[in-house]
Amino acid sequence: EAQVTQNPRYLITVTGKKLTVTCSQNMNHEYMSWYRQDPGLGLRQIYYSMNVEVTDKGDVPEGYKVSRKEKRNFPLILESPSPNQTSLYFCASATSGRSYEQYFGPGTRLTVT
Amino acid sequence: DQQVKQNSPSLSVQEGRISILNCDYTNSMFDYFLWYKKYPAEGPTFLISISSIKDKNEDGRFTVFLNKSAKHLSLHIVPSQPGDSAVYFCAASAYAGGTSYGKLTFGQGTILTVHP
Repeated sequence: EAQVTQNPRYLITVTGKKLTVTCSQNMNHEYMSWYRQDPGLGLRQIYYSMNVEVTDKGDVPEGYKVSRKEKRNFPLILESPSPNQTSLYFCASATSGRSYEQYFGPGTRLTVT
Repeated sequence: DQQVKQNSPSLSVQEGRISILNCDYTNSMFDYFLWYKKYPAEGPTFLISISSIKDKNEDGRFTVFLNKSAKHLSLHIVPSQPGDSAVYFCAASAYAGGTSYGKLTFGQGTILTVHP
């Protein structure tokens, strides 16, 4: 089954404790992206990657890091999480020729206390 | 600065009637526009798109209209069905070279409720 998977689905952590949210896709997509969803603000893009070793900032990259060492994986790293990073996070992937038509994962609910 | 805005947080419609969801944008560099649909506890799913060289695109019950001069797009759902009840996000992107649209900017979303 073609899908984008994220782990963990739920995470409660404390301020300053480094964490990684994994994202993996099995569709051989070149393009991958991370978003956060917050009430009243919709979806905001954090980082995206057009291909392996090619990443770029979205609209809200501060406090986040990404890496794209393999085509299928695109982890999101919070080096020192803060309460304002409490949010619902989505990973997405797409083919390079139709990168606007994205397939989303199920989401990761992160709470930073 | 919200470059893509959906000014109606919610919309309620009777089954069988038309649903019209609206979206405004400010960035004139946007040249590709999309609508995504999201059910609770799921990720968004792509619904329909339109290029700036067109003013209308249809896919079954869904039609997207683009008015470039007004920087406005709308999604029409006819006829509306209870299963269409979801959050609808509009999104916009600017051509980034080659065949690429890397950065995607979303609106705040509109909750559509279709009553039986």
